[in-house]
Parts: sequence; C-alpha cells; structure tokens
Amino acid sequence: GEDVEQSLFLSVREGDSSVINCTYTDSSSTYLYWYKQEPGAGLQLLTYIFSNMDMKQDQRLTVLLNKKDKHLSLRIADTQTGDSAIYFCAGGGNQGGKLIFGQGTELSVKP
Amino acid sequence: DGGITQSPKYLFRKEGQNVTLSCEQNLNHDAMYWYRQDPGQGLRLIYYSQIVNDFQKGDIAEGYSVSREKKESFPLTVTSAQKNPTAFYLCASSLRDAKGSEAFFGQGTRLTVV
Repeated sequence: GEDVEQSLFLSVREGDSSVINCTYTDSSSTYLYWYKQEPGAGLQLLTYIFSNMDMKQDQRLTVLLNKKDKHLSLRIADTQTGDSAIYFCAGGGNQGGKLIFGQGTELSVKP
Repeated sequence: DGGITQSPKYLFRKEGQNVTLSCEQNLNHDAMYWYRQDPGQGLRLIYYSQIVNDFQKGDIAEGYSVSREKKESFPLTVTSAQKNPTAFYLCASSLRDAKGSEAFFGQGTRLTVV
C-alpha cells in the first residue's frame, strides 16, 4: 500500500520561510493534500494539488510536486507564531476523505 | 453554522467496557470517516461510509464497530476487543465522489483507558 513519510520536527524564526517535506511511495494518488492541526483540535485543509500539476501558490503557501522523485513540499512564506502547528501531507483518490497520511511535521516558530 | 461535531471531547473507559463516540454533520455530505491518531504515527483509517446503511473497513478496523442509520450520523463503538484504545479519534465527512473534495474534520475525541 501507499506509504507517506515526513520529518517529525521543524523549527524556524518568525519572518523566515518554512519548508515542510513529504515523500510518498505510490503514484496512484490523484490528489495530494496539506492539512494543519493545532493542539487538541481537528485538521484544517490548507491546500491541495492535483497530481498532474507541478506547483500551486495560494497567498503565503506554495506547494511543489516532483512526480519523478515522489516528493511534495509546502513552503510557508513569512512564517508567523500562529503558524506553529502540526502539518500533515496526505494522498487520496476520488473519495475526498479516504486519505493516506504522513506522520505529521511539528512546526515551531520562535519569535 | 455548517460543520461536523464530535462528542464527548474527553472520554474515559475502564478495561473491558465498550464505549461509543458520536459524530454528527450538517454539511449534507454522503461520505463519513473515522480516523485514529497516535503520536508520531499520523492518522489511520478505521472505518468509512459512502452512503446510509453501508460502510467499509479501513486499515485498522479490528476492535471497532460502526453504524450508519442516518446520513448525518456515524457513531464509532470501541469494543473491549480493542486492546490499545487510548488515542485521539477524528471523524471526517466529504462529498462522496467529488474529485479533490475537501474532507472536513471534527475537533476530535480523546479516549483514555483507566
């Protein structure tokens, strides 16, 4: 089955850019998602990219997809302390909520 | 406001007890899902349902049961057969067949065995 891997921790200074990386083993995912989870809360969809796209930009967020290397990244520009959270990448097909999640990357933003 | 509601927020279970976690949505979504979250392991799919009166096992269904009698509701029962039930449980819903459809998550229930 699909396996999705993320590094567990990332620490940045406020105002810097953050880059969160994700690798996946199965190319059959039609969509790749980034979700954000704040402490003790559910998941909030940040953005997603269709598998035939290379890049998607949405305000401070940039998603890059390298299909050859099966690598997905999320760049957050001008990172703020409110961005501190756990970020999950996930792959899915045509059923919106049936997803394979990575382990999550805990982003810590220091003032 | 439209959304997905899980209750209770915290739940304590004694050894050998069954407990039921509630999940209700008013988004008119056909599909609903239950995930389990453990530290450092991401989310794993327990059960999902694409339509009323029908549901399928996910990757870790053993020790759990569900029902889908109403479109709005998808309760999860953690049975005594689940040997390690302490975890954070998340319910989600989405449109059934829409490509790239966003899944909306509830705020979760933290279950602890005492």
